[in-house]
Amino acid sequence: KAGVTQTPRYLIKTRGQQVTLSCSPISGHRSVSWYQQTPGQGLQFLFEYFSETQRNKGNFPGRFSGRQFSNSRSEMNVSTLELGDSALYLCASSLEVGSLYGYTFGSGTRLTVV
Amino acid sequence: QKEVEQNSGPLSVPEGAIASLNCTYSDRGSQSFFWYRQYSGKSPELIMSIYSNGDKEDGRFTAQLNKASQYVSLLIRDSQPSDSATYLCAVTANAGKSTFGDGTTLTVKP
Repeated sequence: KAGVTQTPRYLIKTRGQQVTLSCSPISGHRSVSWYQQTPGQGLQFLFEYFSETQRNKGNFPGRFSGRQFSNSRSEMNVSTLELGDSALYLCASSLEVGSLYGYTFGSGTRLTVV
Repeated sequence: QKEVEQNSGPLSVPEGAIASLNCTYSDRGSQSFFWYRQYSGKSPELIMSIYSNGDKEDGRFTAQLNKASQYVSLLIRDSQPSDSATYLCAVTANAGKSTFGDGTTLTVKP
């Protein structure tokens, strides 16, 4: 059974650019959540998508957005990148909405903004 | 006050000892409690989940939950160098998302 696939693994972008990250959840999992991980802030919740609808949203600015497709694959987009957006972005797959049974994480996308 | 707080590390124990990791949470409506292990440079991996008061054992790992005290712990018996990692406590409330603690870094010395 394939795990959670995130692409790309690494990205280097310039301040002001935008970026799109992709996540394919475990087959049969319909919920995809996104987290940002930094040394100073730990794991911070961005948003959760289930059945192509955003079900939960964290306290991030509107520059951070996402969507989910009918096959449960999800993308997140960050516009007008800032240096502080440099982080590991983790996608978490779960069977149903919410995380009552825990997550399976992807390997993450390491974003560096220069 | 943070929603999920973990005891500050790093924590160092000798091989074969018991490692004790602690976590407190603020939302009394929390329903699900998890421990994730994260090796350096890797993503978090779910190792334990607990939903009701008491102990839950899985091999060398025991999770303990006390909802009245809003406290979750993880005990690792017979600690091995391969257990050296950062352990993240996560709590899920009615809102559905998991809130993570900052993690406790454990080092097991041979």
